[in-house]
Amino acid sequence: GQNIDQPTEMTATEGAIVQINCTYQTSGFNGLFWYQQHAGEAPTFLSYNVLDGLEEKGRFSSFLSRSKGYSYLLLKELQMKDSASYLCASVDSNYQLIWGAGTKLIIKP
Amino acid sequence: TAGITQAPTSQILAAGRSMTLRCTQDMRHNAMYWYRQDLGLGLRLIHYSNTAGTTGKGEVPDGYSVSRANTDDFPLTLASAVPSQTSVYFCASSATLAGGADTQYFGPGTRLTVL
Repeated sequence: GQNIDQPTEMTATEGAIVQINCTYQTSGFNGLFWYQQHAGEAPTFLSYNVLDGLEEKGRFSSFLSRSKGYSYLLLKELQMKDSASYLCASVDSNYQLIWGAGTKLIIKP
Repeated sequence: TAGITQAPTSQILAAGRSMTLRCTQDMRHNAMYWYRQDLGLGLRLIHYSNTAGTTGKGEVPDGYSVSRANTDDFPLTLASAVPSQTSVYFCASSATLAGGADTQYFGPGTRLTVL
């Protein structure tokens, strides 16, 4: 079966660094997306990885290991506005997105 | 730029009634999608369309139908609503014609309650 696992909730302190992990098991693999979703709003695109390694984009970085079926999103210099849910989605062999339930990130001052 | 719009924003519907959720995009994207989002679950694909005139079933299509008469519009119809269809519905689009892993862009969502 197809499965995406990510922690339900994480708490971090403003100014700190947090790593949100995602493990996936899908039929075929054509990359992995990370989206941000603030409460009551639509998901918005953060990153897409299809090759192994780390991709950095400002305060946010995303890592992929295809052999381990593992990805993480790294958020640096946390700000209160980073409080949101972070959704991991794997692209399967039919190019459909298989979504995790999301990780709710709570930032404390 | 409007991007993707959805209507209505929210709706309370009596069980057994029908309803159409509207979705319009102005990005000339070929592919469009309908998802539902329920607490504790990931987004689940209901139906999709790779291009105008074609549609396909997603993970949870039962009780829903779609049409794609043109590039811009992708309405979702509930023929006879049931309480289990209470959810937040998101429409999304991507540039992909067929295949590929293009970024999906989401509308603001419709919050539907079926009583």
